[in-house]
Amino acid sequence: SQQGEEDPQALSIQEGENATMNCSYKTSINNLQWYRQNSGRGLVHLILIRSNEREKHSGRLRVTLDTSKKSSSLLITASRAADTASYFCATDAMDSNYQLIWGAGTKLIIKP
Amino acid sequence: EAGVAQSPRYKIIEKRQSVAFWCNPISGHATLYWYQQILGQGPKLLIQFQNNGVVDDSQLPKDRFSAERLKGVDSTLKIQPAKLEDSAVYLCASSRKGNNSPLHFGNGTRLTVT
Repeated sequence: SQQGEEDPQALSIQEGENATMNCSYKTSINNLQWYRQNSGRGLVHLILIRSNEREKHSGRLRVTLDTSKKSSSLLITASRAADTASYFCATDAMDSNYQLIWGAGTKLIIKP
Repeated sequence: EAGVAQSPRYKIIEKRQSVAFWCNPISGHATLYWYQQILGQGPKLLIQFQNNGVVDDSQLPKDRFSAERLKGVDSTLKIQPAKLEDSAVYLCASSRKGNNSPLHFGNGTRLTVT
């Protein structure tokens, strides 16, 4: 079964609005990572948040982690057309020998 | 720093043929991954190397897929014989310190099996 599951599966918003994506997981982790994938390209690392951290920022990105709820959220503020991409979370599951488990992603479309 | 290089970018083959993909990771990255990504899904790990040793190949269909990482640098992934369901993007990634550090991905090879 999926360790990391993103929701929503798809999100369409107007340019300038904020976009929030969520990731839920099932077992204890060391860290959680968020990646972006533009169409036809490889994945690009955005943020890594460790299990003892609650929030991290990087430019217009804010990631939160709630280990009690086994969930994380990625907030993109003041969205731009260039943010149109799929976003994936990856977790290292303690019960899978810390191998990275990937969700199916959230497809984000920013309308101009 | 130069990114992860993969080739070819696209490949079309008929079922039962063989195909090979090549990956050159970022210099100094000990960990190398091969992922299979089917359209609309997240990446699925096929094999993970630490230097030239295999860390995890539990999801590699070993009857048809093989991979090697000679000298702990470049890697090749081979499929022989290919099946229709192997149509996917094959992504190579590398990281400095395994799963506790960010993965750097190449742009992948899009394989179509007809």
